[in-house]
Amino acid sequence: AQKVTQAQTEISVVEKEDVTLDCVYETRDTTYYLFWYKQPPSGELVFLIRRNSFDEQNEISGRYSWNFQKSTSSFNFTITASQVVDSAVYFCALSESFRAGKSTFGDGTTLTVKP
Amino acid sequence: KAGVTQTPRYLIKTRGQQVTLSCSPISGHRSVSWYQQTPGQGLQFLFEYFSETQRNKGNFPGRFSGRQFSNSRSEMNVSTLELGDSALYLCASSFPETRGAPTGELFFGEGSRLTVL
Repeated sequence: AQKVTQAQTEISVVEKEDVTLDCVYETRDTTYYLFWYKQPPSGELVFLIRRNSFDEQNEISGRYSWNFQKSTSSFNFTITASQVVDSAVYFCALSESFRAGKSTFGDGTTLTVKP
Repeated sequence: KAGVTQTPRYLIKTRGQQVTLSCSPISGHRSVSWYQQTPGQGLQFLFEYFSETQRNKGNFPGRFSGRQFSNSRSEMNVSTLELGDSALYLCASSFPETRGAPTGELFFGEGSRLTVL
């Protein structure tokens, strides 16, 4: 069975601080896909990034960066110089197929960025 | 480009009733998935439809059912509602299967918030 654990339930930071959201996963599949989604107060989940199990290259996109480490089954997400608009619930998800229709989600981390 | 549309956005039902929720995916998307989101259980996968066929199913009782139409629109139905069915029901669609380099992400609607009294 697949499992995604986001140990941090809530994180609160002050604007401009860097923050890292942790994600640990479990799967027996040798090929799998990892995702991060953002759910702002409006409620609509928004896709942020996907990583394939065979691609451990880390990625930076603007203020966002992702650290995928297969050896520790972790897929962490860092926001640099956080902003109030980053306040949201962030979900890590795992799928056995690149078709993410059936994904296993973590419980989410609520990030609050204070001005 | 229109996003995923879910109707109704809010509804209140009483125990024992049934409810039907509708989802219109992004134009051209053939896969539609449904998720239940609750404070206690988080986001849980209900089922996925592709080309009018159920491709995957989560661990929910038979009271939860769905279908997909030829235009990719999908509906889910919950019969004999229980208090525990109160939740935000999210629909998501994804890129066409034939896309050369699918990125695999899900595009979510705003959800239908069901309250069972």
